[in-house]
Amino acid sequence: ILNVEQSPQSLHVQEGDSTNFTCSFPSSNFYALHWYRWETAKSPEALFVMTLNGDEKKKGRISATLNTKEGYSYLYIKGSQPEDSATYLCAFNDGTSYGKLTFGQGTILTVHP
Amino acid sequence: GAVVSQHPSWVICKSGTSVKIECRSLDFQATTMFWYRQFPKQSLMLMATSNEGSKATYEQGVEKDKFLINHASLTLSTLTVTSAHPEDSSFYICSARLIQGAGNTIYFGEGSWLTVV
Repeated sequence: ILNVEQSPQSLHVQEGDSTNFTCSFPSSNFYALHWYRWETAKSPEALFVMTLNGDEKKKGRISATLNTKEGYSYLYIKGSQPEDSATYLCAFNDGTSYGKLTFGQGTILTVHP
Repeated sequence: GAVVSQHPSWVICKSGTSVKIECRSLDFQATTMFWYRQFPKQSLMLMATSNEGSKATYEQGVEKDKFLINHASLTLSTLTVTSAHPEDSSFYICSARLIQGAGNTIYFGEGSWLTVV
């Protein structure tokens, strides 16, 4: 059973704060690490798919880094806004089947105005 | 962007009855779709991989006779929970794989809440 863990479970920040959370995953049989943003009553929205050790990706105020050797990825949000409030999921793929993802429990982010 | 639609969003059924959940890729063809389940305070857990025109591949511990998956067309996969019981009450969500050249993207539906009473 693959173990994917996210921390913290929940996070409350003030508007304008920068924040980050962690996803840890198996360092063996790595193929890809996905980050999703999931708002209530909506579909999870793909943020990043990361495949290379040392990779860093950015989308607006959100960025992510990847360390496949030690098995972790960080997601950063710069200058958090209330609309960033959501659950952020990471998911590990070992390459046996693209799309067959093992998810962490998610980090619930609440940004207070 | 690509859209995956799931229906119904909410369903309440009586214990012992069956309920069907649909997952549609609205603007692309998906030979492969995936069904996940999430119990409270737990992670999304993969139940099965749905393959168009062939049998689904179930994860360990998931009863194939209880969770019937049909992927009869390139845009529709259905999950039928047969003889549902209260312990089947959960959040069910599907995803579909879009193949674009050498790349792949996974798109999720909105999910379905099932309550068995």
